[in-house]
Amino acid sequence: EVLLQQSGAELVRPGSSVKISCKASGYTFTDYYMHWVKQRPEQGLVWIGRINPANGNTVYAEKFKSKATLTADKSSNTAYMQLSSLTSEDTATYFCTRGPGWYFDFWGPGTMVTVSS
Amino acid sequence: DIVMTQGALPNPVPSGESASITCQSSKSLLHSNGKTYLNWYLQRPGQSPQLLIYWMSTRASGVSDRFSGSGSGTDFTLKISSVEAEDVGVYYCQQFLEYPLTFGSGTKLEIK
Repeated sequence: EVLLQQSGAELVRPGSSVKISCKASGYTFTDYYMHWVKQRPEQGLVWIGRINPANGNTVYAEKFKSKATLTADKSSNTAYMQLSSLTSEDTATYFCTRGPGWYFDFWGPGTMVTVSS
Repeated sequence: DIVMTQGALPNPVPSGESASITCQSSKSLLHSNGKTYLNWYLQRPGQSPQLLIYWMSTRASGVSDRFSGSGSGTDFTLKISSVEAEDVGVYYCQQFLEYPLTFGSGTKLEIK
């Protein structure tokens, strides 16, 4: 069974950084891209970027190029996303989702990040 | 970036009636290989999105045949025949033709 387990909710201060994780199981981690999607409260879905866990190659949406950093650890089958210089605009739920090619077939439960002083 | 524009539903939709959700892309999603890279997802309240339809008209594994996708290169429709209570949520279309991947703003379905 494919599972994507995400780290727990975070409450962080403005200006700080946060690193959230997505542990994959039930499939060969390096065979599929991992994508990240942002959803602000009561808002729609926004694609952040994706990583190829096999070689670390990344692609980002332009607006997230200086905000998000995607990494992957093949030894633990875990993908990570670090968000930097956090502001209230970064308060959102962040999903990791597996991309077998042309769609997202499995999603994590989401990690809620709240930026507040 | 490819802009995805979704239509609204005349909520609430009576249980057992059909519902059609429209989505329009600012660029043709028809690939040279003949496939159209348009996906549909449902996000039920409090849950993660789930894949319903990919390549415009192919149902994902385990998805009810009450869901069907159709369209052209830029205009798409998700039809739900005989809506049920479990269909409540927000439906998103997504283009997977090119980066950055983009979603529509979502269409909310309520059931009466």
